[in-house]
Amino acid sequence: EDQVTQSPEALRLQEGESSSLNCSYTVSGLRGLFWYRQDPGKGPEFLFTLYSAGEEKEKERLKATLTKKESFLHITAPKPEDSATYLCVPQGGKLIFGQGTELSVKP
Amino acid sequence: DTEVTQTPKHLVMGMTNKKSLKCEQHMGHRAMYWYKQKAKKPPELMFVYSYEKLSINESVPSRFSPECPNSSLLNLHLHALQPEDSALYLCASSQADRKADTQYFGPGTRLTVL
Repeated sequence: EDQVTQSPEALRLQEGESSSLNCSYTVSGLRGLFWYRQDPGKGPEFLFTLYSAGEEKEKERLKATLTKKESFLHITAPKPEDSATYLCVPQGGKLIFGQGTELSVKP
Repeated sequence: DTEVTQTPKHLVMGMTNKKSLKCEQHMGHRAMYWYKQKAKKPPELMFVYSYEKLSINESVPSRFSPECPNSSLLNLHLHALQPEDSALYLCASSQADRKADTQYFGPGTRLTVL
């Protein structure tokens, strides 16, 4: 059965304190893996698509990486506006949403 | 432009009411989706339309009725809902190609059933 697990469930950082969010997955026939950001009460905002192991993508303070079993979202020198829930979503036959990591960045 | 729009933003309805949620995209996408999201939970897929045909119905109760009038529009008709149906309803669209198919989400409709 396809599964995805995100850790930690919640992460509190000070502004400027870099860290990583983890996504472990078991998916048959992985077609790709997506990262989304979601603010409370709003729709998920697309960040990245990763297609194959070894691939990396960057956007501002965020960098996403992919291996055959995990994906990481690295946040460098975060700011309070980076506070949100980050969703990891691998796609096999269909999208499988992780439970999310709720990130809080304090000034 | 990667915008998906949804109306209304908020909806309050009684259990005997009939209402509709609307979703629109102008990205030329050929797949559209409805999701339901409860607080602190990830989105749950309800329906998928591909090339204007219903391709997936995730065993959703018949009080939810989807409609795809054309490739840009998606409706969700609501009738005789229950209080537990209160949630954020999200629409998404994608190109419907065979590679990993990036879905773009709308802002959602916050539904409250009294």
